[in-house]
Amino acid sequence: QVQLQESGPGLVKPSQTLSLTCTVSGDSISSGSHYWSWIRQFPGKGLEWIGHMYYSGSTFYNPTLKSRAAISVDTSKNQFSLKLNSVTAADTAVYYCARQAFFSWYFDLWGRGTLVTVSS
Amino acid sequence: QSALTQPASVSGSPGQSITISCAGTSSDVGGYRYVSWYQQHPGTAPKLLIYDVSNRPSGVPHRFSGSKSGNTASLTISGLQAEDQADYYCASYTNSDTVIFGGGTKLTVL
Repeated sequence: QVQLQESGPGLVKPSQTLSLTCTVSGDSISSGSHYWSWIRQFPGKGLEWIGHMYYSGSTFYNPTLKSRAAISVDTSKNQFSLKLNSVTAADTAVYYCARQAFFSWYFDLWGRGTLVTVSS
Repeated sequence: QSALTQPASVSGSPGQSITISCAGTSSDVGGYRYVSWYQQHPGTAPKLLIYDVSNRPSGVPHRFSGSKSGNTASLTISGLQAEDQADYYCASYTNSDTVIFGGGTKLTVL
């Protein structure tokens, strides 16, 4: 059974960097059969795709984030990570990691999500 | 890119059918078959219901179906059940190589 689990600080100060890690079990990121994405859900419930990565390290981001996001992979630990810099209160959200289909654009498995609050 | 447009709420009685619409543009919904639908119960992560407009992953009941006409996609739930009460989100690939979501629809089973 494939599972994804997010981890990281639940509170980040404004202007600092948000850092989250997604640990994948039951599937290998290195298999190359999927992309691996980060998605966030704002308190008003709207969803936003942040970006995705492939096991080779190639990445693609939502341009609305204006280059603040960076996704990286650690295949030895079967993990991928998100860094979002220069955060503001508008970045407060539940952050999900998700597995994305390779030949399409849907998310078939999601982590349980982690709430990150940006506040001083 | 603006979010896809969904009704804020819909309701139906057990056994009835309901349809949730998802309006986009030719740059997203209308231009590609990469429309997906997700169900989210309170406090849980979204769950994939439909992918590529009308395909159901294994384990999703046949009473959930998807379709598309022009720039609008639709999710139909037939034989409504109490456990279908949840929030529903559509999503679409866009010509900017991104994915955008709808604002979500709250389904109430009366």
